[in-house]
Amino acid sequence: EAEVAQSPRYKITEKSQAVAFWCDPISGHATLYWYRQILGQGPELLVQFQDESVVDDSQLPKDRFSAERLKGVDSTLKIQPAELGDSAMYLCASSLLDMDTQYFGPGTRLTVL
Amino acid sequence: QQQVKQSPQSLIVQKGGISIINCAYENTAFDYFPWYQQFPGKGPALLIAIRPDVSEKKEGRFTISFNKSAKQFSLHIMDSQPGDSATYFCAASRGRDDKIIFGKGTRLHILP
Repeated sequence: EAEVAQSPRYKITEKSQAVAFWCDPISGHATLYWYRQILGQGPELLVQFQDESVVDDSQLPKDRFSAERLKGVDSTLKIQPAELGDSAMYLCASSLLDMDTQYFGPGTRLTVL
Repeated sequence: QQQVKQSPQSLIVQKGGISIINCAYENTAFDYFPWYQQFPGKGPALLIAIRPDVSEKKEGRFTISFNKSAKQFSLHIMDSQPGDSATYFCAASRGRDDKIIFGKGTRLHILP
């Protein structure tokens, strides 16, 4: 069964350092989402892509976060500089175009010291 | 403003019992209501979903009940098993290609 791949699974970094997360969606899925999940909360959308274009980045802290999906397939989410409050699970999800169901990857657990 | 309100925050049920989790939403533009199951250290996995044109959907031991006029929906887990112990999220979206708005989650523990 096809799955969304994410790496790394865990990342520990110090405040003010740069971090990057990678996501490979299910093959053929045009829509890709990055969510952030703070411990004990539900995921919240950071950015949504359709192919290589950003559809919604209204909740992305653009002063420190950036996301790209250059060829419309895999995607990278970057934080620079990381802050203590960025400690969370970063989840990637994908879906077929014009479909409701989103499939989530295992996530990257970020700890900022 | 919390668009999807979920209760209870935590729930303990005896094995074989019925687990019930409730959600309420504000935005009448929502037309897709999924439930996700999440185990520790894993991403959420779609469990079951419903659209507002039906009042109930059943898949195995899992049933969603939907009340459009009250803007409420609930998940019922029949014959709850220890393997069902996880965090459950109700969610809503405006459907195709739209972001999912999650509730805060319910931590379910099934006693053996």
